[in-house]
Amino acid sequence: GENVEQHPSTLSVQEGDSAVIKCTYSDSASNYFPWYKQELGKRPQLIIDIRSNVGEKKDQRIAVTLNKTAKHFSLHITETQPEDSAVYFCAARSFGNEKLTFGTGTRLTIIP
Amino acid sequence: EPEVTQTPSHQVTQMGQEVILRCVPISNHLYFYWYRQILGQKVEFLVSFYNNEISEKSEIFDDQFSVERPDGSNFTLKIRSTKLEDSAMYFCASLAGEYNEQFFGPGTRLTVL
Repeated sequence: GENVEQHPSTLSVQEGDSAVIKCTYSDSASNYFPWYKQELGKRPQLIIDIRSNVGEKKDQRIAVTLNKTAKHFSLHITETQPEDSAVYFCAARSFGNEKLTFGTGTRLTIIP
Repeated sequence: EPEVTQTPSHQVTQMGQEVILRCVPISNHLYFYWYRQILGQKVEFLVSFYNNEISEKSEIFDDQFSVERPDGSNFTLKIRSTKLEDSAMYFCASLAGEYNEQFFGPGTRLTVL
């Protein structure tokens, strides 16, 4: 089955700087890669996703890149703000097998 | 905006007791899921449900677990005889179609004493 690795497990960044979180996956059949933000005690919220036919996607301060050959994808947050502090999870999903396999999470702390 | 809802928000039970966690997925969605998250750990897939039957289940989803969609709106997860290690946050999710976003409910925190 799919295995998703995520690093770093914790990340502290000065407000205004950029943050990068990286994930690798094992199943070459995976074709959809969402990123979720989870605040303490809350549900995971989708912040951005990318499909395997695209190499990069951007939404304001958030971008995701995908390298299918290397089986890795990354989340980039620019101009970080205190409200970006949360746990971020990457995930992978295969076509026809709609479950999400999550990474282990990254606790991002933005230092004011 | 439509949302997935879950009840109760917090359930405390004694070891060995049965619990039923309830979810109301988004109304036009076709795929339904249960995930769990042990405190401080990642979200883990339990089971997926499509066309009124289980489409996939994980190793965690053993004979103590069952799911039902008893009517057109509710989706339930039953744990027959709870164990201490079942303590976790349980999330329901639903999906409109294969190329769409999976929406998560707010979760039920299950505490087994």
